[in-house]
Amino acid sequence: GAVVSQHPSRVICKSGTSVKIECRSLDFQATTMFWYRQFPKQSLMLMATSNEGSKATYEQGVEKDKFLINHASLTLSTLTVTSAHPEDSSFYICSATSGGAYEQYFGPGTRLTVT
Amino acid sequence: AQSVTQLDSQVPVFEEAPVELRCNYSSSVSVYLFWYVQYPNQGLQLLLKYLSGSTLVKSINGFEAEFNKSQTSFHLRKPSVHISDTAEYFCAVSRAGGSNYKLTFGKGTLLTVNP
Repeated sequence: GAVVSQHPSRVICKSGTSVKIECRSLDFQATTMFWYRQFPKQSLMLMATSNEGSKATYEQGVEKDKFLINHASLTLSTLTVTSAHPEDSSFYICSATSGGAYEQYFGPGTRLTVT
Repeated sequence: AQSVTQLDSQVPVFEEAPVELRCNYSSSVSVYLFWYVQYPNQGLQLLLKYLSGSTLVKSINGFEAEFNKSQTSFHLRKPSVHISDTAEYFCAVSRAGGSNYKLTFGKGTLLTVNP
């Protein structure tokens, strides 16, 4: 149980284009989802927290207009990187938690490369 | 706010040797503590957690960690490692109680088990 999927696993896009990453909780309802960014050989940095049906809460320094997060249902959250640039290349990981549980379940991650 | 320090960025050991991965945290409030493991190009998997009760927590694959409040530590140990334990290990902390499930991660420790 408690499986989280991400799609796509890898994506290459050209500078200036937008790319959408999906995060799904497959066997539970995720009241809260988190989006992280991980640079090579570094830790995970929380980008934003999203609750179903509400606007996402972004961490300081994260551009909300560049990283659009939608959490339209209890099983799906999306992260759209708008007007991507090479410096946006990274490993993006989502996680999900259900109400009352303090454990986060992580997706397998999406490797974004912007050329 | 909380912070996590993982003192060792890399720990090489031989197979069947014992290992300890160190984790210290800083927080002005009570915390929950977690260890996550990340295999190459994958998301994070929960290894074990401390929420309350017994300060010694164990995982199903032989790892254990002990919460030491006076030393603000949550070191991870295994008496005999396997090749398959090679991975990145992250210590994380969240604020205890409430509805905020945000995790703060350490920078990670790369455990390399050599034959």
